[in-house]
Amino acid sequence: QKEVEQDPGPLSVPEGAIVSLNCTYSNSAFQYFMWYRQYSRKGPELLMYTYSSGNKEDGRFTAQVDKSSKYISLFIRDSQPSDSATYLCAAGGVTDKLIFGTGTRLQVFP
Amino acid sequence: DSGVTQTPKHLITATGQRVTLRCSPRSGDLSVYWYQQSLDQGLQFLIQYYNGEERAKGNILERFSAQQFPDLHSELNLSSLELGDSALYFCASSVGLGQRSTDTQYFGPGTRLTVL
Repeated sequence: QKEVEQDPGPLSVPEGAIVSLNCTYSNSAFQYFMWYRQYSRKGPELLMYTYSSGNKEDGRFTAQVDKSSKYISLFIRDSQPSDSATYLCAAGGVTDKLIFGTGTRLQVFP
Repeated sequence: DSGVTQTPKHLITATGQRVTLRCSPRSGDLSVYWYQQSLDQGLQFLIQYYNGEERAKGNILERFSAQQFPDLHSELNLSSLELGDSALYFCASSVGLGQRSTDTQYFGPGTRLTVL
């Protein structure tokens, strides 16, 4: 079992839709959680950082962590074609290395 | 632009060969991380250096090695290359050890390695 699991998609939605991206993790020692966005042929860029459980909102993006169920979510409101990318969740604990999910490919069509 | 630079952008080589990938971190960042990204495995952590010292090790093969130099740039050496080593190799950097919200990893554009 991988430490961080993510549905690879692809996920295709119309412009303006609310997108829900999800990951599960197995290591209860994970304390911080991130979402990265990766455009085709580019390096990942950090979108959201969450420490422990709870919600964090930044513009159209909301990250949720439920440590009791080991579930990580990213919501995108009013999705735009420019949001089309691969979204990677990542988790880390007391050690320094981040464990990444395999990424979900999102396509937002006009 | 993240401020992390990687060279070369593309590398095509043959099985059995050895290559060196280079990374320059953002100004002021002390940590450098190396990742391998392939279609079926996703982004895999290989190794981290902090201020010249190896800090953490992931799923790095014995054929692979890395180092961080006094000027903080880093090199990843891949030897006895196999077809399965074909992948995108990313370097990332952070100010510290990468655990805090203010200490996030910034990724470079990657080096695409093709082994024929």
